[in-house]
Amino acid sequence: QVQLQESGPGLVKPSETLSLTCVVSGYSITSGYYWGWVRQPPGKGLEWIGSLYHNGNTYYNPSLRSRVTMSVDTSKNQFSVNLNSVTAADTAVYYCATLFDSTTFDHWGQGTLVTVSS
Amino acid sequence: QSALTQPRSVSGSPGQSVTISCTGTSSNVGGYNYVSWYQHHPGKAPKLMISYVSKRPSGVPDRFSGSKSGNTASLTISGLQAEDEADYYCCSYAGTYSVVFGGGTRLTVL
Repeated sequence: QVQLQESGPGLVKPSETLSLTCVVSGYSITSGYYWGWVRQPPGKGLEWIGSLYHNGNTYYNPSLRSRVTMSVDTSKNQFSVNLNSVTAADTAVYYCATLFDSTTFDHWGQGTLVTVSS
Repeated sequence: QSALTQPRSVSGSPGQSVTISCTGTSSNVGGYNYVSWYQHHPGKAPKLMISYVSKRPSGVPDRFSGSKSGNTASLTISGLQAEDEADYYCCSYAGTYSVVFGGGTRLTVL
């Protein structure tokens, strides 16, 4: 059974870069899923950030494309997201997840709260 | 990429049925049979309830069903139970490996 665990700083200063990692266990990251990030700002809905495949192909939400970078480390069985030039609007619970067919999220991490504040 | 449109809230009594709509465009909901639904209890990870418009993953009760007509998808929950009270989100493929979520619907079991 695939399990995912997000990790990273819980507090980031405005204008800096938010960096999170998702460690995958129980499944090889090269075995066929797509891997994604989703966030939920306080009191708001879910927002897709982006997805990637183990070969490094990445796909981003157009509204975040200019600020987001995702990458995969197959040797550590993990993938990451960087979001630069953050503002308070980037405060959210960030989830990593698997996607099948690149369309449907079926396994989720527990989520990690990232607060943007000075 | 605008969010799909869902009602902010729906409610029903135990045993009743409720339907949550999810309206998009021909570029997402109407263009693909890749609509999924997620149940989200606050503080927990979202849970996949429906994929490919109407397919239930293993372990999801058959009280949950999905459908689609044109640019609108729907999630119906029959025989409402107290534990169904949660936020529900639809999600659709939008082309070029992108997806878009709905704004979410709060289900209250009265």
